[in-house]
Amino acid sequence: QQQVKQSPQSLIVQKGGISIINCAYENTAFDYFPWYQQFPGKGPALLIAIRPDVSEKKEGRFTISFNKSAKQFSLHIMDSQPGDSATYFCAASANFGNEKLTFGTGTRLTIIP
Amino acid sequence: NAGVTQTPKFQVLKTGQSMTLQCAQDMNHNSMYWYRQDPGMGLRLIYYSASEGTTDKGEVPNGYNVSRLNKREFSLRLESAAPSQTSVYFCASRLRAQETQYFGPGTRLLVL
Repeated sequence: QQQVKQSPQSLIVQKGGISIINCAYENTAFDYFPWYQQFPGKGPALLIAIRPDVSEKKEGRFTISFNKSAKQFSLHIMDSQPGDSATYFCAASANFGNEKLTFGTGTRLTIIP
Repeated sequence: NAGVTQTPKFQVLKTGQSMTLQCAQDMNHNSMYWYRQDPGMGLRLIYYSASEGTTDKGEVPNGYNVSRLNKREFSLRLESAAPSQTSVYFCASRLRAQETQYFGPGTRLLVL
């Protein structure tokens, strides 16, 4: 059973546009929600993360929006650039210090000129 | 500071062969993880180790064994490889006081 559902599977956005990737979770015990970015041939790397005590977190052009009641969170990439082309994974874990991250299935983002 | 390193980068096996994937980290992290990545499936946890001397099963442990050799090294063994184990394998590590997992570059495994 997929505990973290991610959509869309792939996304094409024009340079300068806004990229939006959505995730929904089922486990109400989840309390940490990171996004990882993966370039071809590389391992994933943490991009940005949020805890449910805030509804939004922004770091540069990247913003996480979090809706606790709907059990959804999303990644927004403003002014998308060709260098943002990568695969993005949302993830979730429960209890600070808990060992397990549950990942979404990934979104392949392509930014076209 | 190399971070998380994995060997080999690429391996081809025949069904029934065995092999060990090696992982090492030089960040003095407590926890280490093995994931497999398959198209459309995301990253799935195979095994993890919260500290030296302990290992626990993840989501997809069948067909794999692990060894936490010391604080730095965490190996993944396939005793009898099957085509269903064709995948990209990632090792990751984490400092206990933090939540960020740091990933290695991956090992691409093809089982014929």
